[in-house]
Amino acid sequence: DVKVTQSSRYLVKRTGEKVFLECVQDMDHENMFWYRQDPGLGLRLIYFSYDVKMKEKGDIPEGYSVSREKKERFSLILESASTNQTSMYLCASSLVQGPNTGELFFGEGSRLTVL
Amino acid sequence: ILNVEQSPQSLHVQEGDSTNFTCSFPSSNFYALHWYRWETAKSPEALFVMTLNGDEKKKGRISATLNTKEGYSYLYIKGSQPEDSATYLCASLDNYGQNFVFGPGTRLSVLP
Repeated sequence: DVKVTQSSRYLVKRTGEKVFLECVQDMDHENMFWYRQDPGLGLRLIYFSYDVKMKEKGDIPEGYSVSREKKERFSLILESASTNQTSMYLCASSLVQGPNTGELFFGEGSRLTVL
Repeated sequence: ILNVEQSPQSLHVQEGDSTNFTCSFPSSNFYALHWYRWETAKSPEALFVMTLNGDEKKKGRISATLNTKEGYSYLYIKGSQPEDSATYLCASLDNYGQNFVFGPGTRLSVLP
């Protein structure tokens, strides 16, 4: 059974703390993504990666960074958490790159609250 | 950024009712459209991957159609069951054919 695993389902952090959200996939997918989901809005792309050591900014990268040292692992980093980063964070992976990209496989999400 | 819209935002139906909802996307530079089902406390899961105008796909009681010329897709659920309760997301590839842009979702509640 293929799987995308996110390290924490629920986190509560204080303003200014550094936050790491980890994501691991076991499907040997090249592509990995981080999204955030807020009420009334669609999933918004924060960062993505098409290969190890490669990273690209998505639509809302401000306040975030990522790391992809190994193919299976894609980490999202909040250098200094702020209250407007309270959200549900979803990691996803996919196999095919370019037009007609294959389906996304998602983790169960990490709900982050920043106080 | 490409704009993907979904309607309605939410709906409640009785068990056994059939229902449908809409995803709208820009018709220019169309590459692909995905439908996902996201149940509470679970991961979003792909329902359909659609690429061709006129595509119709079916999975059990759920089906979808695609009109790329006018920029919309319909998702139909026949004889809704409580286990169909979920948020249904659609996503269209952006203008570069690179990443998916998601609509805000339709939240379906099926009442027993």
